[in-house]
Amino acid sequence: DGGITQSPKYLFRKEGQNVTLSCEQNLNHDAMYWYRQDPGQGLRLIYYSQIVNDFQKGDIAEGYSVSREKKESFPLTVTSAQKNPTAFYLCASSIVGVGDNSPLHFGNGTRLTVT
Amino acid sequence: QKEVEQNSGPLSVPEGAIASLNCTYSDRVSQSFFWYRQYSGKSPELIMSIYSNGDKEDGRFTAQLNKASQYVSLLIRDSQPSDSATYLCAVKLSFGAGTTVTVRA
Repeated sequence: DGGITQSPKYLFRKEGQNVTLSCEQNLNHDAMYWYRQDPGQGLRLIYYSQIVNDFQKGDIAEGYSVSREKKESFPLTVTSAQKNPTAFYLCASSIVGVGDNSPLHFGNGTRLTVT
Repeated sequence: QKEVEQNSGPLSVPEGAIASLNCTYSDRVSQSFFWYRQYSGKSPELIMSIYSNGDKEDGRFTAQLNKASQYVSLLIRDSQPSDSATYLCAVKLSFGAGTTVTVRA
């Protein structure tokens, strides 16, 4: 079955620690995205990537970093510089990139809690 | 002004009724519009996409787009309890805050 796999489902970290969220897709999609969802605020775009070894900042990139070394993988690191990291993180992919008409396919999300 | 705004909700409708969801957007040149459904604790799933003015129907769902008014809507006919979810309007990569719909049995 093709899809997007995010792991882990739940993640707990202490304040001041960096943490990396995994996202893997086998849909052969070119573009991948990371969103953050907080209660009542919808989805906010953190980073996106249209091709391997290239990525762009979204609306709320501060305190996050990404890499795109393989087409299938787009890990997100939440650094200690992120002021309010506790949130539901969603990875998505699409057939082609920003500016076209392709809908997003989402993974099941990672719920990060930082205390 | 937010890029994508949805009617605030929550919206409660009786089973069998029509649920009407509205969305406005600020980017006049947008070409792609989507409605996603998100059950509590789950990730969003695409239910409708619309790219040209007018209506698009898919089963019990109808999306309506008016680019001149920068307005897109979603109608859910014959609402079922399984339709109870949060509905997210998206314009390209920007999402509204969502409207939570509850269908009363």
